[in-house]
Amino acid sequence: GAVVSQHPSRVICKSGTSVKIECRSLDFQATTMFWYRQFPKKSLMLMATSNEGSKATYEQGVEKDKFLINHASLTLSTLTVTSAHPEDSSFYICSARDTRRASLQPQHFGDGTRLSIL
Amino acid sequence: LAKTTQPISMDSYEGQEVNITCSHNNIATNDYITWYQQFPSQGPRFIIQGYKTKVTNEVASLFIPADRKSSTLSLPRVSLSDTAVYYCLVGDRYNFNKFYFGSGTKLNVKP
Repeated sequence: GAVVSQHPSRVICKSGTSVKIECRSLDFQATTMFWYRQFPKKSLMLMATSNEGSKATYEQGVEKDKFLINHASLTLSTLTVTSAHPEDSSFYICSARDTRRASLQPQHFGDGTRLSIL
Repeated sequence: LAKTTQPISMDSYEGQEVNITCSHNNIATNDYITWYQQFPSQGPRFIIQGYKTKVTNEVASLFIPADRKSSTLSLPRVSLSDTAVYYCLVGDRYNFNKFYFGSGTKLNVKP
């Protein structure tokens, strides 16, 4: 149980392209999902909190217009990197928590998306 | 929210028990502790979670002393496949959006 699917696993594209990453909770519903960015040999850096049916909450320093987040259903959140540039190249990871269960549930993570902008 | 401190790396040999400690001196009453394992180019995987005393599951144990200022992840009889980065997370159990991810401990298991 508690599987989070993230697609695509790897993207290579030209500078200026917009890239959409999907995060799905497969066997549970998640009112909240999280988006992280991870640099090599570093810890996960929280970018934003995605809330179903409402606007995402972004961490300080994260550009809202660059990283568009949509959480239109209880099982799907998307992150769109708009007009991507080489400095946006990174490993992006999503997570979701089953917030409908009474007991405290941990975050469950997708397998990440390796984004490479040429 | 309490920040955490972990050793950058640890070495071990196959078959040994490994204990990784996370310091969280300013942990609050509402905070819980979660440990994750991450392999290269993969998302973190949940290992264990607890609030106080001892928690055990099929893969690990989590020891939390009475003052809760630290926690120790214990991996029994590690194998080469346990080589990974281990993260502790401190989170507010009443505010799911409030948590702190540690910097991680790279565990190297040698044959």
